[in-house]
Amino acid sequence: EAQVTQNPRYLITVTGKKLTVTCSQNMNHEYMSWYRQDPGLGLRQIYYSMNVEVTDKGDVPEGYKVSRKEKRNFPLILESPSPNQTSLYFCASSFRGNYEQYFGPGTRLTVT
Amino acid sequence: AQSVAQPEDQVNVAEGNPLTVKCTYSVSGNPYLFWYVQYPNRGLQFLLKYITGDNLVKGSYGFEAEFNKSQTSFHLKKPSALVSDSALYFCAVQYGGATNKLIFGTGTLLAVQP
Repeated sequence: EAQVTQNPRYLITVTGKKLTVTCSQNMNHEYMSWYRQDPGLGLRQIYYSMNVEVTDKGDVPEGYKVSRKEKRNFPLILESPSPNQTSLYFCASSFRGNYEQYFGPGTRLTVT
Repeated sequence: AQSVAQPEDQVNVAEGNPLTVKCTYSVSGNPYLFWYVQYPNRGLQFLLKYITGDNLVKGSYGFEAEFNKSQTSFHLKKPSALVSDSALYFCAVQYGGATNKLIFGTGTLLAVQP
């Protein structure tokens, strides 16, 4: 089944404790992105990648890191999480030139 | 600055009636426009897109949208609403050519009453 998977789905952590949210797609998509969804703000793009080793900042990159060492994986790293990073996070992928994004199920992160 | 506006937080419509969910945008260059739907506790699903060509595009589940360049709008429409259409709808704009930079609107909650 074609899909984007994210792990974990739910995470409660404390301020300053490094964490990684994994994202993997099995559709051989070139493009991948991370978004955060907050009430009243819609989805905001954190980082995106157009291919292996090619990443760029979205609208809200502060406090986040990404890497794209393999085509199928695009992990999101929070080196020192803060409460303002409490949010619902989505990973998405698409073919280059098609632009229809496939979204993962989301990761709900709470930082206390 | 690039932006997308969905002026209505919520749209209420009776089942069987036509529905419209509004979207306007402000981006430089030629935008690629999208609609996505989010059902409760789920990720977003692609509905339809406008890249180029015919201004009226048809998508999944009977939805369609019309690209209006002069009004910079991309309203989502459906001739006859179903209760199962109740969900959160997002308009999105990709800009900067063949990149992956997207801006989403804040979302419109569609409530279809039986």
